[in-house]
Amino acid sequence: DTEVTQTPKHLVMGMTNKKSLKCEQHMGHRAMYWYKQKAKKPPELMFVYSYEKLSINESVPSRFSPECPNSSLLNLHLHALQPEDSALYLCASSQYDGGYTFGSGTRLTVV
Amino acid sequence: GQQVMQIPQYQHVQEGEDFTTYCNSSTTLSNIQWYKQRPGGHPVFLIQLVKSGEVKKQKRLTFQFGEAKKNSSLHITATQTTDVGTYFCAGPSLYTGTASKLTFGTGTRLQVTL
Repeated sequence: DTEVTQTPKHLVMGMTNKKSLKCEQHMGHRAMYWYKQKAKKPPELMFVYSYEKLSINESVPSRFSPECPNSSLLNLHLHALQPEDSALYLCASSQYDGGYTFGSGTRLTVV
Repeated sequence: GQQVMQIPQYQHVQEGEDFTTYCNSSTTLSNIQWYKQRPGGHPVFLIQLVKSGEVKKQKRLTFQFGEAKKNSSLHITATQTTDVGTYFCAGPSLYTGTASKLTFGTGTRLQVTL
């Protein structure tokens, strides 16, 4: 299996809602990432997990809460988001210094 | 922090013409990676270059890593409509455990028309 699977593909949520994005990979990669991408912009790093531990938090607001339950799963919990948080959220995994494998992303709209 | 710039931002070519995008990093890189993102899609890894002056080819795509390991280029020969998308270069700026912090370039959007 050479894929990263993200669910849901699309999500519309209100500013008072709580939702979670899910990511799964079975390539044995021990590094997993969350990126945020706005239209016509490059992906921006949010969080890095190495061996299921949070290694890097790029000063992301606390309304985004990552979780890595095991080596195959990565979640992003969302709470009290703002309309400007609407974006494509990408999960990726990698084997140390190799290329990233990205999931197809979750298109999030905050209303 | 590390900055990675690409030029041009956008290029529109006729099918069959060549295309080149250039990538410049503010810091020396241990490696450079290239990704392609189709409209409405997600970034897909194309290649990684590691050595100074390295050149790699994938069919009509030629990738080059500069001697100083701060710049790179992607050249497409005889573009096809399937080449449409945004091409990103990316370089690692930090390693932690088994992970690398990858900073993406600003991207070059390629449009190909018949």
